[in-house]
Amino acid sequence: AQKITQTQPGMFVQEKEAVTLDCTYDTSDQSYGLFWYKQPSSGEMIFLIYQGSYDEQNATEGRYSLNFQKARKSANLVISASQLGDSAMYFCAMREGAANFGNEKLTFGTGTRLTIIP
Amino acid sequence: NAGVTQTPKFQVLKTGQSMTLQCAQDMNHEYMSWYRQDPGMGLRLIHYSVGAGITDQGEVPNGYNVSRSTTEDFPLRLLSAAPSQTSVYFCASSYGLAVSYNEQFFGPGTRLTVL
Repeated sequence: AQKITQTQPGMFVQEKEAVTLDCTYDTSDQSYGLFWYKQPSSGEMIFLIYQGSYDEQNATEGRYSLNFQKARKSANLVISASQLGDSAMYFCAMREGAANFGNEKLTFGTGTRLTIIP
Repeated sequence: NAGVTQTPKFQVLKTGQSMTLQCAQDMNHEYMSWYRQDPGMGLRLIHYSVGAGITDQGEVPNGYNVSRSTTEDFPLRLLSAAPSQTSVYFCASSYGLAVSYNEQFFGPGTRLTVL
């Protein structure tokens, strides 16, 4: 079974609109972490946001927020007021096990290609 | 700090050739990892290391070797290149046990083509 599932291969969104990128995960660990990375056409991996399984509040970083629904095992990324520069691939990833055991092993989803339309 | 650096940026090999992809980080990170990225498949873990002298296999280790003689360097060796190893390779590093929350810092990637 896939540990990280991103069901939207591609999305087109009008500039200035909010967008939600879906991510569901599968783990039997009680302690885990969820990450979102952005990969622009230049190819580098850019860290966006992190949510720990025991975090009670949804993570936020500027225009990015993570809608964490633990019972449904979903960790959707929400981008508010989208900009042309948000056009990129977006990857959801998971670290299984406690954070203090390190993040050397992440499992990635297949990504969502987001295109912002002017 | 240079962060995570990878060399070369591009490489073309013939089937059967061997080569080493270099990765270095200057952040004193304990943990380092190698991933490959293929179209439609996201990133998959090849090998990882939790400190100098300690390495372990990830999801797709066949055809690759690693070693970690220093904290800074984590080279990936292709023993006998095959067309199936055509991919983009990313090296990543992160803090170790002393830090609870952290991200993985990625290098810029190496695009490898095997003919």
